[in-house]
Amino acid sequence: ETGVTQSPTHLIKTRGQQVTLRCSSQSGHNTVSWYQQALGQGPQFIFQYYREEENGRGNFPPRFSGLQFPNYSSELNVNALELDDSALYLCASSFPGTGAPYEQYFGPGTRLTVT
Amino acid sequence: AQSVTQLDSHVSVSEGTPVLLRCNYSSSYSPSLFWYVQHPNKGLQLLLKYTSAATLVKGINGFEAEFKKSETSFHLTKPSAHMSDAAEYFCVVSDSGGYNKLIFGAGTRLAVHP
Repeated sequence: ETGVTQSPTHLIKTRGQQVTLRCSSQSGHNTVSWYQQALGQGPQFIFQYYREEENGRGNFPPRFSGLQFPNYSSELNVNALELDDSALYLCASSFPGTGAPYEQYFGPGTRLTVT
Repeated sequence: AQSVTQLDSHVSVSEGTPVLLRCNYSSSYSPSLFWYVQHPNKGLQLLLKYTSAATLVKGINGFEAEFKKSETSFHLTKPSAHMSDAAEYFCVVSDSGGYNKLIFGAGTRLAVHP
């Protein structure tokens, strides 16, 4: 059983650019959640995808968008990057088949730096 | 709205001494609570979860937590700290609004000294 993987590990972008982060969910998991962790803070929920549909969204602007593919892997896209978007982006996969609260398994994250 | 408050941003203990990381929660109904650990440059790992069964929850690596409804607390403890326990710990509540959104506390950094 493979765990959650994310790519790339690190990324440096310039303000105003666009970025795509990728996540492969754990085998058998059909739900992916994305979180933003700013330096020195706890992760903040961005959104969740379940069976290729957005299933819930946190307090993030529309320039944060996502996709989930038929194999349940996922992308997080951020347009018009701002300096405050610099953070660790975490992906978590889960399988809500055993009743809430179902465990979320986190990947190692992508460190995004916006200059 | 649900929330968690971690009462200490930093905790420092000596190896072999007990660990206590404090967490209070706010929820309008019976919450689902978790503790996650994050080692430097690593992802988040689930230590334990409370799901309204036993109030004393045992997790991995010797950690346990007790749910106290009267005190709205979910403190994490370990009888004897190990150097490898040094990490950031997050108390988390699950928003059961249909999609299991996790709400994290600000974190407690645990330092373990020889």
